[in-house]
Amino acid sequence: DTGVSQDPRHKITKRGQNVTFRCDPISEHNRLYWYRQTLGQGPEFLTYFQNEAQLEKSRLLSDRFSAERPKGSFSTLEIQRTEQGDSAMYLCASSHRDRVDEQYFGPGTRLTVT
Amino acid sequence: SQQGEEDPQALSIQEGENATMNCSYKTSINNLQWYRQNSGRGLVHLILIRSNEREKHSGRLRVTLDTSKKSSSLLITASRAADTASYFCATDAGGKLIFGQGTELSVKP
Repeated sequence: DTGVSQDPRHKITKRGQNVTFRCDPISEHNRLYWYRQTLGQGPEFLTYFQNEAQLEKSRLLSDRFSAERPKGSFSTLEIQRTEQGDSAMYLCASSHRDRVDEQYFGPGTRLTVT
Repeated sequence: SQQGEEDPQALSIQEGENATMNCSYKTSINNLQWYRQNSGRGLVHLILIRSNEREKHSGRLRVTLDTSKKSSSLLITASRAADTASYFCATDAGGKLIFGQGTELSVKP
């Protein structure tokens, strides 16, 4: 079991650019979650998928954000026209259908928008 | 928005001492979980306590839950320098987790 992986681990981009992050969940985990964490705060829920279906989106997920999980395996989170306020750690987690309570987190992607 | 508050925001103790962190939440829950996060890294799941449980142990960790007061506490006994981290409580809100702001624990050798 290799755990949840995220790529890249760090991303520095200029304001206005688009960025895309990838998350690979633990195999056979059917649920995948995205969270955002700013310095000194706890993670905040963004969205989650059950298989390929996106079941819930937070109001934090503005129109500039889009998440996909096309084949029910890995997921991508894209941010268009990045703003400095998007600077944060983006965390991905996954859970198994039989233990949905337990979410396993990846190491996160730290985004810095300059 | 955050579900609840954690107290204290920061805690500094000596190795070998016990550390207690508290969490309060606002709505009814199915379960409450505690996570640890080392500086700049992902979260590690520590323990889950269900709404019908009052106390749970795992190694040096002891968690209590008082649903009437909407509060939980995490006790780490015989702390070690390696326990230095941020600790978050999280409540399950129909699949997604709602986290508190965390307690930053520093254990000095």
